[in-house]
Amino acid sequence: NAGVTQTPKFQVLKTGQSMTLQCAQDMNHEYMSWYRQDPGMGLRLIHYSVGAGITDQGEVPNGYNVSRSTTEDFPLRLLSAAPSQTSVYFCASSYTKHRDRGGGYTFGSGTRLTVV
Amino acid sequence: AQSVTQPDIHITVSEGASLELRCNYSYGATPYLFWYVQSPGQGLQLLLKYFSGDTLVQGIKGFEAEFKRSQSSFNLRKPSVHWSDAAEYFCAVGSYNNNDMRFGAGTRLTVKP
Repeated sequence: NAGVTQTPKFQVLKTGQSMTLQCAQDMNHEYMSWYRQDPGMGLRLIHYSVGAGITDQGEVPNGYNVSRSTTEDFPLRLLSAAPSQTSVYFCASSYTKHRDRGGGYTFGSGTRLTVV
Repeated sequence: AQSVTQPDIHITVSEGASLELRCNYSYGATPYLFWYVQSPGQGLQLLLKYFSGDTLVQGIKGFEAEFKRSQSSFNLRKPSVHWSDAAEYFCAVGSYNNNDMRFGAGTRLTVKP
């Protein structure tokens, strides 16, 4: 059971470049989300999805796009990278209605992104 | 939207001493509360959760937390800290439908020998 897998682990981009951060889970979780972690700010929600074909914005969605074509995958796209997007990105998944099914998120190990 | 405040950015305790990490939340409905731990360079691991019932909940690694609705708090405690507990700790609040979970800024714990 691999849990939540994020790739790549490290990435350096130039300003204006685009890229996709990959996230995959093998637990049949309906819910998936992307957070960014910055010093002193904790984790801030970028986008989330409650199932295939359904996505919604979190606290800090600007500059990021997502899609959910399958239950397993939830990629995060940066269309034109900016230095302000330098951060550590975490993908998380869980069952919805988590009270009934154990609760809590399973996190990936993160992607450290630097935009120069 | 819900929010979480962790008043202490950094706490240092001696090994074997007791620990309490503070967490205050703001949420209009019934809160679902969590504590996570993050070791350096790692993702977050769930320590414990509160949904309802007994306000004192037990978690992994000897941690416990107490929910106090009147104070909007969910403080994390451990009676005797071990050097391996040094990490960053995050409190989070979510909803029944489990979307849009919000995290505090985190408290970094240093353990002195």
